[in-house]
Formats: sequence, structure tokens, C-alpha cells
Amino acid sequence: DAGVIQSPRHEVTEMGQEVTLRCKPISGHNSLFWYRQTMMRGLELLIYFNNNVPIDDSGMPEDRFSAKMPNASFSTLKIQPSEPRDSAVYFCASSDRTEKYFGPGTRLTVT
Amino acid sequence: AQSVTQPDIHITVSEGASLELRCNYSYGATPYLFWYVQSPGQGLQLLLKYFSGDTLVQGIKGFEAEFKRSQSSFNLRKPSVHWSDAAEYFCAVGPGNTGKLIFGQGTTLQVKP
Repeated sequence: DAGVIQSPRHEVTEMGQEVTLRCKPISGHNSLFWYRQTMMRGLELLIYFNNNVPIDDSGMPEDRFSAKMPNASFSTLKIQPSEPRDSAVYFCASSDRTEKYFGPGTRLTVT
Repeated sequence: AQSVTQPDIHITVSEGASLELRCNYSYGATPYLFWYVQSPGQGLQLLLKYFSGDTLVQGIKGFEAEFKRSQSSFNLRKPSVHWSDAAEYFCAVGPGNTGKLIFGQGTTLQVKP
């Protein structure tokens, strides 16, 4: 398996633009997580899904953030409109009952 | 409140020296504890985890960690550090693999030749 796949790896956008981050979990994993990593706040869980259903979105910072998981093999995290303070590395992770696997991350820069 | 504290932000050790990274946690239920490593520009890789049983757990790359319930600690150790161990290390606590993990702020390890 190729592991958790995230795209794009790097994204630079201007304030006010819509940004969509994508994640393909490992096949057969039934849980998917979106994390954000910044110097100031470290690693924060934004939202996680079990069997494609959002279970806990309490970490989603604002209504500008939304996440979807239309099927077991794909998830998106959307920011609309983006702001400079959204600049961070966004990680997707998937897990089975034994281990959580992280993707390589998307480095987002909002200017 | 649930939290993880890694007291050391940066640690520098000489290659071949022993290493201990500290982790303290606060968690209301039975803790499931993890150590992850992150190399620059990479995602997190699981080093080891503790769910129950033997409080000394072995992980990959020669790492081990010891769970001490009385001290609410889960320190990571390695007897002899290699230059390739230079990375950032995260301790985390949660209700298991399928739940929400709370991460510490991380410890950056630098290895001197």
C-alpha cells in the first residue's frame, strides 16, 4: 500500500481564496483524522471520521473550515475564505484498530 | 483537563550517548500512550505504544519507553543514539487508535557527531 496520500504537498494562496486539501486513506482503514500543525499550537486535531461519518469536529476552528468524507477512500478539508493565520501544515491520518498512519502533510501558506 | 507535557523543547546529545525524552500526561481515563517521530518535511511515524500489560515497551529503531502510572510519565529512551535519530519527537495520549489523540508540543533532538 502507498500509505496515506495527501495532495497537494504545498499550497500557496492569497487571503480570501478557497483552499481544498485532499486525502486518500489507506484501504481498509475505517477512521480518518485531520490535524493541523503550527509552531504556536503544535499538533491539533481538527476533525475525525469513523466509517465516513464525522464523529468529533470540535477542533474545527471556525465556520470557514469544513471537511467531508463522501466515501471510504477520499476526504477533503476546505477553507473558505482563507486567512494568513491558516498557514500551517495539515496532516491527514487513517487508522485501523492497531495503528494510526499519518500522511506526509500539506504545507499551506496564505499570503 | 487532558494534556501532555514534554518539558524539553530541544535536546542535544552526542552520537553514541544515551537518550531520555520526558513525557508527562494528565488524562481522566485509562491512558493509551504513544511516541511518534517526525523527520523534517515528513509525517509522523509511530515509534511505540502502550495500551496495557508490561510497562516497559519496545519500539522500532531501538527505542523503548516505560509507563509509570504513579508519576503519570511515559519517558522514551534509547541506549545509544545515531545521527539519523535527529528529528522531532511527540508524545501523545488518547483513548486508543481510533480516537482523539492529544499531543505534546514535541522535543527536537539534535545529535552531535
